[in-house]
Amino acid sequence: SQQGEEDPQALSIQEGENATMNCSYKTSINNLQWYRQNSGRGLVHLILIRSNEREKHSGRLRVTLDTSKKSSSLLITASRAADTASYFCASRGDDYKLSFGAGTTVTVRA
Amino acid sequence: KAGVTQTPRYLIKTRGQQVTLSCSPISGHRSVSWYQQTPGQGLQFLFEYFSETQRNKGNFPGRFSGRQFSNSRSEMNVSTLELGDSALYLCASSLTTSGTNTEAFFGQGTRLTVV
Repeated sequence: SQQGEEDPQALSIQEGENATMNCSYKTSINNLQWYRQNSGRGLVHLILIRSNEREKHSGRLRVTLDTSKKSSSLLITASRAADTASYFCASRGDDYKLSFGAGTTVTVRA
Repeated sequence: KAGVTQTPRYLIKTRGQQVTLSCSPISGHRSVSWYQQTPGQGLQFLFEYFSETQRNKGNFPGRFSGRQFSNSRSEMNVSTLELGDSALYLCASSLTTSGTNTEAFFGQGTRLTVV
């Protein structure tokens, strides 16, 4: 079974708007990572946030982490058509594996 | 620096057959993990190898097995294929899985179809 859940399952926005998606996880983590997947292809690593960090930025991406609530959020600012993809969070604990959420499908309309 | 290479990219097999998938990690990466992705179950962890040792295994039947060679390349094998094994199989390599450098880099996957 999946480690956590992502919310929403799907998101449709206009180009230029911001997209926010949330992720929850169940057990303690060393870090949490976000990935993007385009149409059944491999996953592309976007950003990693460590358990002792609260916020991290990378270009148009902003990730927050709240370990007390076991949740994280990914914000994509000024979205582009190329951001259309599925986004997954994955938590890394002490057991060496990445546990993935169910993913959020983002569609950016031109 | 070359990325993670998975072969073959596509595969069609018949029920009852067996299949072997290959993964070449990024040079210098010693950890290789395998994941199964299906529309119904999402991304499920299969197993993780580090320096030829399996360190963790997901909740899959014994028909799913893997190994890692001394050059870090990994193979996974599925025996007695079932229709439900149809999926995208993804391999990920990491420098390590503990400490700070734990980003995983994924290959393009092998699309397995069982008919």
